[in-house]
Amino acid sequence: QTVVTQEPSFSVSPGGTVTLTCGLSSGSVSPNYYPSWYQQTPGQAPRTLIYDTNTRSSGVPDRFSGSILRNKAALTITGALAHDESDYYCALYMGSGISVFGGGTKLTVL
Amino acid sequence: QVQLQESGPGLVKPSGTLSLSCGVSGDSISSSNWWRWVRQTPGKGLEYIGEIYHSGSANYNPSLKSRVTISVDKSKNQFSLKLTSVTAADTAVYFCARRDGYKYFFDYWGQGTVVTVSS
Repeated sequence: QTVVTQEPSFSVSPGGTVTLTCGLSSGSVSPNYYPSWYQQTPGQAPRTLIYDTNTRSSGVPDRFSGSILRNKAALTITGALAHDESDYYCALYMGSGISVFGGGTKLTVL
Repeated sequence: QVQLQESGPGLVKPSGTLSLSCGVSGDSISSSNWWRWVRQTPGKGLEYIGEIYHSGSANYNPSLKSRVTISVDKSKNQFSLKLTSVTAADTAVYFCARRDGYKYFFDYWGQGTVVTVSS
């Protein structure tokens, strides 16, 4: 059973930079997993931020960037704003039409 | 602009079948895209359920595969989810979504619908 791992929580100061990661319980994340990132606030549907490791979805500010960092997919938020406080989920494509989500990271901006 | 809208009963009895539909506007269900279902249990994360192509070809999360059927209704431009033998553990917000046929991510999402399993 493939498990996608994310930090349960993270905190960043307003204006600060934070990097959230997305790993595999066994093995390394590579671009071949087509990592994607989603932002979700309570009661709302997820919003697509990043796909194909580092491509921003339409309308997503360039404060959000994606990369592969030390064998994990990474989402970096530069110049964090109060309204960036959300849950962030990554998803990896495992092939054969199967995607797996990470457990999500609750980001606090304070 | 692509829009997805879930519909269906908000309450299902234990051991019954959960049935939801997702209406699609701004795109054809027969386009080269895949149509997906995701759920989120209370206070928990997102869980991928499965996807379908207009041809009827479907892929399912192995952990749910024995209980899930996703189908397409081209005449209504919608797709549907059936989950059998439900228990309280299936209580969740159910989202429908689209996967770009040439990509591997969720590019459009429905707003979600709450389904509670209870007698």
